[in-house]
Amino acid sequence: KQEVTQIPAALSVPEGENLVLNCSFTDSAIYNLQWFRQDPGKGLTSLLLIQSSQREQTSGRLNASLDKSSGRSTLYIAASQPGDSATYLCAVLIQGAQKLVFGQGTRLTINP
Amino acid sequence: DTEVTQTPKHLVMGMTNKKSLKCEQHMGHRAMYWYKQKAKKPPELMFVYSYEKLSINESVPSRFSPECPNSSLLNLHLHALQPEDSALYLCASSQERGRRIGAAFFGQGTRLTVV
Repeated sequence: KQEVTQIPAALSVPEGENLVLNCSFTDSAIYNLQWFRQDPGKGLTSLLLIQSSQREQTSGRLNASLDKSSGRSTLYIAASQPGDSATYLCAVLIQGAQKLVFGQGTRLTINP
Repeated sequence: DTEVTQTPKHLVMGMTNKKSLKCEQHMGHRAMYWYKQKAKKPPELMFVYSYEKLSINESVPSRFSPECPNSSLLNLHLHALQPEDSALYLCASSQERGRRIGAAFFGQGTRLTVV
């Protein structure tokens, strides 16, 4: 059974810092990995998608990496801003299924 | 346009009521999903439709009844719900072409309260 873990559960940093969020998964037979952000009481916003054959994806100040063999992904946020405060979720799409398995999320707070 | 639209945004219903949640996307995606999310927990998959056919039912109680009238619409019919069914219900869609599955896009959700 695929399990996805995100560390840390919560993170608070001052504005302007670069930071890394971690995601690990137990079964390397994944189709892709996706990072989302969720604001309180809202839906999920897709940030980055990494296909299983890819190593990283970049969008603006965000960079996500994937090491499928070790079951790890990181989300790097450069020059953090208060507007980046949200819960960040990673999810893997199980190979052979259409099921996204989510981690528990990292609640990020950027202090002005 | 990467938008998935869900209506209503909020819904309060009694345990004897019948209501429906609606979801719409115009991205040409052929896979559509219902997820349930409780407070401070990640979303949990309920149903998957692929090319308008139900492909996954994650052992969801029959008081939840999904429907996919066409490739753009997804409904979730609710009947005789329990207070513990109160949650944020999220709809999602993704592109599916053969074995290639793209990114999942989520709607803003329906906040359901069962009284």
